[in-house]
Amino acid sequence: KNEVEQSPQNLTAQEGEFITINCSYSVGISALHWLQQHPGGGIVSLFMLSSGKKKHGRLIATINIQEKHSSLHITASHPRDSAVYICAVRWDNYGQNFVFGPGTRLSVLP
Amino acid sequence: DSGVTQTPKHLITATGQRVTLRCSPRSGDLSVYWYQQSLDQGLQFLIQYYNGEERAKGNILERFSAQQFPDLHSELNLSSLELGDSALYFCASSEAGRNQPQHFGDGTRLSIL
Repeated sequence: KNEVEQSPQNLTAQEGEFITINCSYSVGISALHWLQQHPGGGIVSLFMLSSGKKKHGRLIATINIQEKHSSLHITASHPRDSAVYICAVRWDNYGQNFVFGPGTRLSVLP
Repeated sequence: DSGVTQTPKHLITATGQRVTLRCSPRSGDLSVYWYQQSLDQGLQFLIQYYNGEERAKGNILERFSAQQFPDLHSELNLSSLELGDSALYFCASSEAGRNQPQHFGDGTRLSIL
């Protein structure tokens, strides 16, 4: 069965802390997408990965194809980072469409 | 601003009714995707169109249908609405080619009374 899991489910951090959110999946993928969903519901694309590592500002995303695992890191976290972070994978045999993880709810306290 | 426009933002209707949700993709994007996000199911893929043609189908009910027009905007039609259809419906678009990131609209919140 193709599954996408995320951990932790919920995360509370103090402003300035380094944060890691994990995503694991069960079978080979062609791409992995990290998304951020704000409290108002809007979804923002953060990264699309098929290998290696990407960095944008305070956000870093890594993927390990062999271990079927990806991490999203946030350095120097800020209350505005509070959101739900969703991992979505595109399976090799599922065309151009994504299967979504359950999301990680992050709260960063001032 | 993702460049993807969805209308309306909110829709309240009754069971048994039919509604149409509209999506205008980012300029130049040929692919349009529709997703449903309900409280108990999370985000689920419904259907994808590419340059006017259906490309892939996900967990889309027979009561739901979609199309993409020559100007590339898309509509999602939901009929015989049930209480369980209450959800956020997102449209996303992407450029042609594999592994292009998808850019999401702000969603349409559908409430069935």
